[in-house]
Amino acid sequence: GAGVSQSPRYKVAKRGQDVALRCDPISGHVSLFWYQQALGQGPEFLTYFQNEAQLDKSGLPSDRFFAERPEGSVSTLKIQRTQQEDSAVYLCASSLGTGSYFGANVLTFGAGSRLTVL
Amino acid sequence: GENVEQHPSTLSVQEGDSAVIKCTYSDSASNYFPWYKQELGKGPQLIIDIRSNVGEKKDQRIAVTLNKTAKHFSLHITETQPEDSAVYFCADGGFKTIFGAGTRLFVKA
Repeated sequence: GAGVSQSPRYKVAKRGQDVALRCDPISGHVSLFWYQQALGQGPEFLTYFQNEAQLDKSGLPSDRFFAERPEGSVSTLKIQRTQQEDSAVYLCASSLGTGSYFGANVLTFGAGSRLTVL
Repeated sequence: GENVEQHPSTLSVQEGDSAVIKCTYSDSASNYFPWYKQELGKGPQLIIDIRSNVGEKKDQRIAVTLNKTAKHFSLHITETQPEDSAVYFCADGGFKTIFGAGTRLFVKA
């Protein structure tokens, strides 16, 4: 598609519920990133995929967070047993390459999924 | 780990004035520094970037400067307009892009 698409745009969950957030990257983009953005803060790295391989998940806050990209395109971020501190905007970004040449690290972001945990 | 410090956190200017946002980074091996603009309800959008082999880059009313020795880089916006009002993020654009905390720019008409 023309841009990075994320759904749902808004999600309200009760504490303890599981949620799934979807990201459709730009077609052909090899790299996909998930970021968490708390109110008034910069995006914080969560995890990175190169095609279907999850190469870095060092930013995931706990084992309640799980991400996958099984066919190297669409990705899903799943949060189990949501807690109030999980409330944030979850941003997905994709880039054409793998970080080793000019333009490879240019990220195109989606509009984000705003999660509110009550 | 890598860290990016950004200041000021808030900046208010009169329309037509210039705005400057400054950042420092910690990883001396870093070589790519993008700047993103985020409007309300949207994801960050790249507005300009600079690689470590140049000291300055300009695109119309925006320019970035980089001092690798001091590990500083700055965004300059001239002739500010109300539509420049947004949150601006600097970043260390390495393998996993590390963002500063952001600067909320208000341009008063």
